[in-house]
Amino acid sequence: DQQVKQNSPSLSVQEGRISILNCDYTNSMFDYFLWYKKYPAEGPTFLISISSIKDKNEDGRFTVFLNKSAKHLSLHIVPSQPGDSAVYFCAASAPYNFNKFYFGSGTKLNVKP
Amino acid sequence: GAGVSQSPSNKVTEKGKDVELRCDPISGHTALYWYRQSLGQGLEFLIYFQGNSAPDKSGLPSDRFSAERTGGSVSTLTIQRTQQEDSAVYLCASSAQGGSNQPQHFGDGTRLSIL
Repeated sequence: DQQVKQNSPSLSVQEGRISILNCDYTNSMFDYFLWYKKYPAEGPTFLISISSIKDKNEDGRFTVFLNKSAKHLSLHIVPSQPGDSAVYFCAASAPYNFNKFYFGSGTKLNVKP
Repeated sequence: GAGVSQSPSNKVTEKGKDVELRCDPISGHTALYWYRQSLGQGLEFLIYFQGNSAPDKSGLPSDRFSAERTGGSVSTLTIQRTQQEDSAVYLCASSAQGGSNQPQHFGDGTRLSIL
């Protein structure tokens, strides 16, 4: 059962515009969420995280928004750059097993110059 | 090296053979994870090691899969009697202490192909 879902397999955005990547989850017990970025033939790298006590976390061009009632989070990249082109995974964990992470299937972002 | 190292980077083997995948975590990291990514899928949790504690094996898909972590450092993931559905990229990650607020550092993975 897929507890974390990324329903858009791909997204194409013009350089300088905003990229919005979405993630939905089904388990209301999830209380920590992370975004990872993955380039081809490399392992994922940590990007940004958010705890369920917050609804927003910002780090430079990257902002993650959490809507607990909708069980939805999104990653905003502003402004998008060609180097942001990669696959983005969201992940979640629950307090009863905080070492077990559930990952979405990823969204491939293409930022066009 | 500075990062998580996995070997081999690619492995092609015949159905029914055993394979062993290796992970060298970042020095000093006590937590180590194994994941599997099948084509078009997300990362699937397999197993988690934390220090000398008993590992969390809840993600291992069958008893053909096993993993060890010797001396709290290097880990090997073993798949016995491989099947075609075992074909995937196997990713290893480590973190300083484990826990959801400790970002995981991933290796580049082992791409396993079962013929």
